[in-house]
Amino acid sequence: KQEVTQIPAALSVPEGENLVLNCSFTDSAIYNLQWFRQDPGKGLTSLLLIQSSQREQTSGRLNASLDKSSGRSTLYIAASQPGDSATYLCAVSTGANSKLTFGKGITLSVRP
Amino acid sequence: SAVISQKPSRDICQRGTSLTIQCQVDSQVTMMFWYRQQPGQSLTLIATANQGSEATYESGFVIDKFPISRPNLTFSTLTVSNMSPEDSSIYLCSVELKGSLYEQYFGPGTRLTVT
Repeated sequence: KQEVTQIPAALSVPEGENLVLNCSFTDSAIYNLQWFRQDPGKGLTSLLLIQSSQREQTSGRLNASLDKSSGRSTLYIAASQPGDSATYLCAVSTGANSKLTFGKGITLSVRP
Repeated sequence: SAVISQKPSRDICQRGTSLTIQCQVDSQVTMMFWYRQQPGQSLTLIATANQGSEATYESGFVIDKFPISRPNLTFSTLTVSNMSPEDSSIYLCSVELKGSLYEQYFGPGTRLTVT
């Protein structure tokens, strides 16, 4: 059974800092990995999708990397801003009907 | 991407009643899913909504408690039946868009409180 872990559960940083959010998964036979953002009481916004054959994806100040063999992914946020404050969720798909298995998320607070 | 809408956005219901949540997408969809997010927890897949046939449920979820319909490609409903306070959660639908390389997009969610 696939398990996804995100540690720490919460993170607080000053504005402008570059930061890395970690995600690990137990079964390396994944089809893809997605990073999502969730604001309080809201739905999920897809940030980046990495296919299993890819090593990284970039979108603006965000860069996600994938090391499938070691079961790890990182989300790098450059020059953090208060508007980046949210919960960041990592999810993996094993390809079986595209089901996603989610981590519990990292709640990020960027202090002005 | 696509516009995914859910109705209602939130509701407060009494124990023992049922609530039906709607999910509508404005683009062509290959897959539709229903997830539950209990307070302080991450998302758990309830079922895959199959067009014109019975949904495929995950372990721990049954059709009698969470009946799902998907009459066409872009619309689905989830009913939470005979509710108890433990059903208080955010319910989210997600979709894979045609040609999206298996990327999933989520609706805004329905916040359900059962008293």
